[in-house]
Amino acid sequence: QVQLQESGPRLVKPSETLSLTCTVSGGSISSYYWSWIRQSAGKGLEWIGRIQTSGNNYNPSLKSRVTMSLDTSRNQFSLELSSVTAADTAVYYCASMGPRDIIPGPFDPWGPGTPVTVSS
Amino acid sequence: EIVLTQSPGTLSLSPGERATLSCRASQSIRSSSLAWYQQKPGQAPRLLIYGASNRATGIPERFSGSGSGTDFTLTISRLEPEDSAVYYCQQYGSSPPYTFGQGTRVGIK
Repeated sequence: QVQLQESGPRLVKPSETLSLTCTVSGGSISSYYWSWIRQSAGKGLEWIGRIQTSGNNYNPSLKSRVTMSLDTSRNQFSLELSSVTAADTAVYYCASMGPRDIIPGPFDPWGPGTPVTVSS
Repeated sequence: EIVLTQSPGTLSLSPGERATLSCRASQSIRSSSLAWYQQKPGQAPRLLIYGASNRATGIPERFSGSGSGTDFTLTISRLEPEDSAVYYCQQYGSSPPYTFGQGTRVGIK
């Protein structure tokens, strides 16, 4: 049973880079698709991007500011979102999209989420 | 990008009643790759239905999904008090970006 846990700073200053990590247990990070999703009051649920060992896909609306990476030695994957503004204030979730040897599936399971506020 | 529109925005029903939630896509969703999630306050969304009509592990039989193409439905056959939540549809069939509906809030009287 795969389980996920987000971690990272809860307060980020405007124009700086938001950095979050998702730690995976119960499964190899090399074997699955992984995504970041965020939820804000203003925009609802928004998919940020997907990563797997063969590459990544980012939401075009965020692509210029997003970098995702895998750390297979720690069984973690990470999100960096640069040049943040108040509009990036949200709860950030990591989630699995299923085994890498088939097409991506729905988001399951999800981490509990971590709130991030962008403010000076 | 596929836009998903959910209706109604809010539903208020009594225990034991049937809830019918709609999700309409701006274009046909390949392979019925449509999921439904339940979200309660302070919690992450939980997968209920995938592939338009398949219940996820551990989901009660009162939850069912149907539809194809651009029109999908989530039905809760007999509402329980613990079904009070916001329900989202999401498509994962086309090339990214994956998108969500805006949600339907279900309240129990």
